[in-house]
Amino acid sequence: EIVMTQSPATLSVSPGERATLSCRASQSVSTIIAWYQQKPGQAPRLLIYGASTRATGIPARFSGSGSGTEFTLTISSLQSEDFAVYYCQQYIKWPRTFGQGTKLEIK
Amino acid sequence: EVQLVESGGGLVQPGGSLRLTCAASGFTFSDYGMSWLRQAPGKGLEWVSTTFASSGDTYYADSVKGRFTIYRDNSKNTLYLQMNSPRAEDTAVYYCAKDGVGGAGYMDVRGKGTSVTVSS
Repeated sequence: EIVMTQSPATLSVSPGERATLSCRASQSVSTIIAWYQQKPGQAPRLLIYGASTRATGIPARFSGSGSGTEFTLTISSLQSEDFAVYYCQQYIKWPRTFGQGTKLEIK
Repeated sequence: EVQLVESGGGLVQPGGSLRLTCAASGFTFSDYGMSWLRQAPGKGLEWVSTTFASSGDTYYADSVKGRFTIYRDNSKNTLYLQMNSPRAEDTAVYYCAKDGVGGAGYMDVRGKGTSVTVSS
């Protein structure tokens, strides 16, 4: 199966600053990945699909990039509501697999 | 507005059975693949199973294959997950999700999930 590895495990950033989260696939997944945001006690929320397409209603400060095995989720100017756990997921091959998550915390 | 409401969770004994239900609304249910994913306490997300309406194809994670069955009733806009012979490691919050357009495997989770505890 394709292993998705996220880094760092925890990222501390101040509100208003930029956050850059990374995801690496164990083999090429082209651009067939999604990103999700999950806040404590809530369901995961789809942010990005196709590596760079924002889902409906997702603010423009969220952007995704990358292809092949290296991917990045960038949050351009962190708002208080953005502090959460973020997961990447590939869906090019079965089984669909998630990364272990990056916790974005307030610095 | 897309709505997905999971139900059916609870306490189940190892080796027992439980059926989870997901009631869908706000979209044409029969046009979309539907999935279950789960999250064990304090852990990350895990995809469990997917069913496609058009082809009837179903897919399962190795961890549940042969024990869980996903199926759907398009006339009722409802997705199910039959959990047979559950194990302690199946304890998790289970979410249903609407797959992406054209069968793409990104998952739109809209419900609050339903909690399953497997314990004697």
